[in-house]
Amino acid sequence: QVQLEESGPGLVKPSETLSLTCTVSGVSISSSYWSWIRQPAGKGLEWIGLIYTNGNTEYNPSLKSRVAISVDTSKSQFSLMLTSVTAADSAMYYCAKYRDGVIVDWGQGTLVTVSS
Amino acid sequence: SYVLTQPPSVSVAPGQTARITCGANNIGGTSVHWYQQKPGQAPLLLIYYDIDRPSGIPERFSGSNSGNTATLTISGVEAGDEADYYCQVWDSSTNLPVFGGGTKLTAL
Repeated sequence: QVQLEESGPGLVKPSETLSLTCTVSGVSISSSYWSWIRQPAGKGLEWIGLIYTNGNTEYNPSLKSRVAISVDTSKSQFSLMLTSVTAADSAMYYCAKYRDGVIVDWGQGTLVTVSS
Repeated sequence: SYVLTQPPSVSVAPGQTARITCGANNIGGTSVHWYQQKPGQAPLLLIYYDIDRPSGIPERFSGSNSGNTATLTISGVEAGDEADYYCQVWDSSTNLPVFGGGTKLTAL
């Protein structure tokens, strides 16, 4: 059974960089595609980006200039970096396993607040 | 790019059938996936490729997709089905998935 667990600071200052890590268990991280999705409080889901097994990435055009997703296969982790954050980046951040256009497994999410 | 339109809310009496729609131009020409999100929880895959259910999802949940509308049907609605429901497709123009705005299901 796939398990995904997000970790990282719950509070980030404006203009700084948000960094989150997702630890994967129950499946080889090298054999699947992975993604990050966020959800502002009381709002809908927003796809941030995804990373393929070959390391290629795709990002939401609205975030593309500020976002990077990477994988560390030795630690079975993949990561999200979002630069120059503002209050609008405050949200629940989910890591997820992605397959053939479908999000098949989700982490429980981690809440990130951007505030000074 | 795709814009998926869902009604903000749907209300049905327990035991009745709820239908939640997801609209877009020619959505019937692509695959639609549905997720259920209960309060305080992560979303859960409910229906994929229009009609398929992951293991463990009750048969009460079904999907269809044709023309400009995809539909999630919940038969015999239970109080425990109260949740937000999101549709999702793959937008080939951006090479990224797109979510609908979500529909809040209330069992009256």
